Amino acid sequence: GQNIDQPTEMTATEGAIVQINCTYQTSGFNGLFWYQQHAGEAPTFLSYNVLDGLEEKGRFSSFLSRSKGYSYLLLKELQMKDSASYLCAVRGMTTDSWGKLQFGAGTQVVVTP
Amino acid sequence: ETGVTQTPRHLVMGMTNKKSLKCEQHLGHNAMYWYKQSAKKPLELMFVYNFKEQTENNSVPSRFSPECPNSSHLFLHLHTLQPEDSALYLCASSHVRDRGYNEQFFGPGTRLTVL
Repeated sequence: GQNIDQPTEMTATEGAIVQINCTYQTSGFNGLFWYQQHAGEAPTFLSYNVLDGLEEKGRFSSFLSRSKGYSYLLLKELQMKDSASYLCAVRGMTTDSWGKLQFGAGTQVVVTP
Repeated sequence: ETGVTQTPRHLVMGMTNKKSLKCEQHLGHNAMYWYKQSAKKPLELMFVYNFKEQTENNSVPSRFSPECPNSSHLFLHLHTLQPEDSALYLCASSHVRDRGYNEQFFGPGTRLTVL
């Protein structure tokens, strides 16, 4: 099985930077996803990491260290609209699980003026 | 319609009712998923369909019954539910390739309340 841990809530001010950590324990690994979910809406894809290192996409970056079972999502120049839940999800390695994602409980980010 | 759609968006039902949730994907994907999202808990995978074949049933009680008539449509039939089944039910789809990354696209969900 897999265990995905991320903080429950983080608060930051507009224009600041916030880093959301995700640690995972898994018997196999074939990629880590970050999703954003606004209240009452569908989760939307933000980023994907399968190799170690940093992936940058505008104000959002995601980092992966497979040896440490660790990822983070970095949100820069925070805007009020970034207030949402951020979900970390890991995909397993076995052939019968390459379509399945295991999700963390999500980190609620609150952006204040 | 684009993306993944779900109906109804909200549903209130009694424990003796029978209802169905519907999901449709317009993305040409070959896999569809049902998830349950309860407050403060991780998304729980319920069922996976790959090319219309059910490949996963995550120990879901039999009061939830999925149906996938084709690769674009997915249903979740509900009967004799319990109040603890109240949650947001999310449908997702993806194009599954051999070990390739397959981003899942989610529908807006059905907010279910069982009285």
